[in-house]
Amino acid sequence: SQTIHQWPATLVQPVGSPLSLECTVEGTSNPNLYWYRQAAGRGLQLLFYSVGIGQISSEVPQNLSASRPQDRQFILSSKKLLLSDSGFYLCAWSAQINQPQHFGDGTRLSIL
Amino acid sequence: KQEVTQIPAALSVPEGENLVLNCSFTDSAIYNLQWFRQDPGKGLTSLLLIQSSQREQTSGRLNASLDKSSGRSTLYIAASQPGDSATYLCAVTPSETSYDKVIFGPGTSLSVIP
Repeated sequence: SQTIHQWPATLVQPVGSPLSLECTVEGTSNPNLYWYRQAAGRGLQLLFYSVGIGQISSEVPQNLSASRPQDRQFILSSKKLLLSDSGFYLCAWSAQINQPQHFGDGTRLSIL
Repeated sequence: KQEVTQIPAALSVPEGENLVLNCSFTDSAIYNLQWFRQDPGKGLTSLLLIQSSQREQTSGRLNASLDKSSGRSTLYIAASQPGDSATYLCAVTPSETSYDKVIFGPGTSLSVIP
């Protein structure tokens, strides 16, 4: 069966520090991969998606970047975190458009 | 621009009651609609996915319906249990080629009181 892992579960970082969140999927090949942010009291916002290794599309201009160095690995990064980067970050995968997205357990990011 | 809303924002019911959660979308041209469950501090779990050609989907005590023409979907939960307490989100996929544009509603927070 397929599984998705995100780490760390929680992270507290100072403003201006770098960021690296990792997401890996097991049990499937060539998944579509997604990074979402869920801010308090707001819905999920799609940040990045990827249809293959090295292929990254961004939905909104922001302080973050994403990379997909391997088929089942998706990384969210920042060189310098801002206070506004605080939130709950969710990674997801899907096999095809007509199949559900499956989410990881998320990373709670707090910026001080 | 597609917008997804969910009413009510929060709902509290006694155990055993049947309940309905509502999801509305402004553009009826959708490819599919999904219902998710999110427990506090956790990711989303897919509950049901309805293709645009379907009217409803069922899984156990859950039944989701879709009325594209009116831009509405409902999630019916029968015989609610305390374990059903969570936030329920609906999400629409606009078209077959825009899987990256899945739009989520803000969610309904459900509390089932023992």
